[in-house]
Order: sequence, then C-alpha cells, then structure tokens
Amino acid sequence: DADVTQTPRNRITKTGKRIMLECSQTKGHDRMYWYRQDPGLGLRLIYYSFDVKDINKGEISDGYSVSRQAQAKFSLSLESAIPNQTALYFCATRDSTNTGELFFGEGSRLTVL
Amino acid sequence: AQKVTQAQTEISVVEKEDVTLDCVYETRDTTYYLFWYKQPPSGELVFLIRRNSFDEQNEISGRYSWNFQKSTSSFNFTITASQVVDSAVYFCALSEQGNYGGSQGNLIFGKGTKLSVKP
Repeated sequence: DADVTQTPRNRITKTGKRIMLECSQTKGHDRMYWYRQDPGLGLRLIYYSFDVKDINKGEISDGYSVSRQAQAKFSLSLESAIPNQTALYFCATRDSTNTGELFFGEGSRLTVL
Repeated sequence: AQKVTQAQTEISVVEKEDVTLDCVYETRDTTYYLFWYKQPPSGELVFLIRRNSFDEQNEISGRYSWNFQKSTSSFNFTITASQVVDSAVYFCALSEQGNYGGSQGNLIFGKGTKLSVKP
C-alpha cells in the first residue's frame, strides 16, 4: 500500500457543489501539505499543517479549507467548487525538519463543470 | 523571498542524446536545500535528489547527474544518453532552513520542464 493515500483519485463535479479530498499517511510524519498543479504553473501550496493544532495558509488558499483530523489525516475542502478549481491536487508529507523531501500521494484529479 | 526558475518550458530530444535541465534559484538563507522531482505521464511525483547548500560536489546516479553551483545559484540536471522512459515533467524545488519571509521552510517549486524523448 502507498505511504500517502488520496481519495478520490478522480472526481467530476458541478459548479457550486461541495467537494472534499481526503489524504491519509502511514509515514508517521507530523507535517502534511496540499498542493495544486496546473499546466505550466507547477505546484502551488494551498495549505499546510505542522501538527494537528497548527494549520497555515499557503500561496493560494482562497476558496479552500482544510481539516487535520488526526496526525495521519488531512482533508481539503472546496465549499463551493468553481471551474477554475479544475486541477490536479496532491497531498504530501514531510518529516519535522526543513531538510527532508516531500512524500507525495498519487494525486486527485478534479474537474469542475 | 525564495524563488525557483526553470526557464525551459519544454525540451524535445532524440533518444541517446544528452540533455540538461536548468534550475536557477533565489534565497536569502545561507542554509537551504534543493530538490529534483520527476513526474512521468502517469502523474505521480517521484523524488530524485536532495542537496544541501554546503555540499557543492556534483552527484552522479547512473545516467543522471546534478551540477550545483552556488556562484550562479544553479542546480542543473543532466540526463546522459536519454531514453524514452525519461519523458516526463521535471521539477526543481527549494527549501530554506530558516523562516525568511514566512516561508516556514516549505518547498517552493519551479514551474517544471517537460522533457520529450523521441525514439
């Protein structure tokens, strides 16, 4: 099984719907992240969490919210999805330093019609 | 503020050619870490290498090599004798040790270089 698991892997929804992307990890890392990937724009940080009680906005947090339900779980919500939130979303974990690499989930492709 | 620039948006080569992917970074920190990731067409992100700012030795791993030069703030990636399986988007990323500009040491990614290797 993957160390970082994202569900769903693919989702098509309509404008205005609420969507939740879930992420769970078995690496025992404290730090978890949500990134968004758009063609030509690379990976941009949406939210990050250093532990269950520490949640921070990233570069592009508008229109998103997160919940850190446990050390191993970090979910991303779109309260009212819009078409420009169509993208590939990645969850990632990292150890409790500023030195280690990110471990990514397999990605969740979201399409908002 | 930290920044990573991958000026090459797309590169196309023929199999067995050597290819270099450029990465230029900006940071105020004296201690930082540089990374390369590969994203094949299947979409997952694969970690390739991490290098800290105090280690300027070049690194070679099979057909892959990395050239880190602090003087030019560059961390370039070369694939020797490219193969079709090397076709992917490659991302360079930077993480500061400190918390300059509120970076919290988070990884900042370049926009990626799409490499196409044709048979």
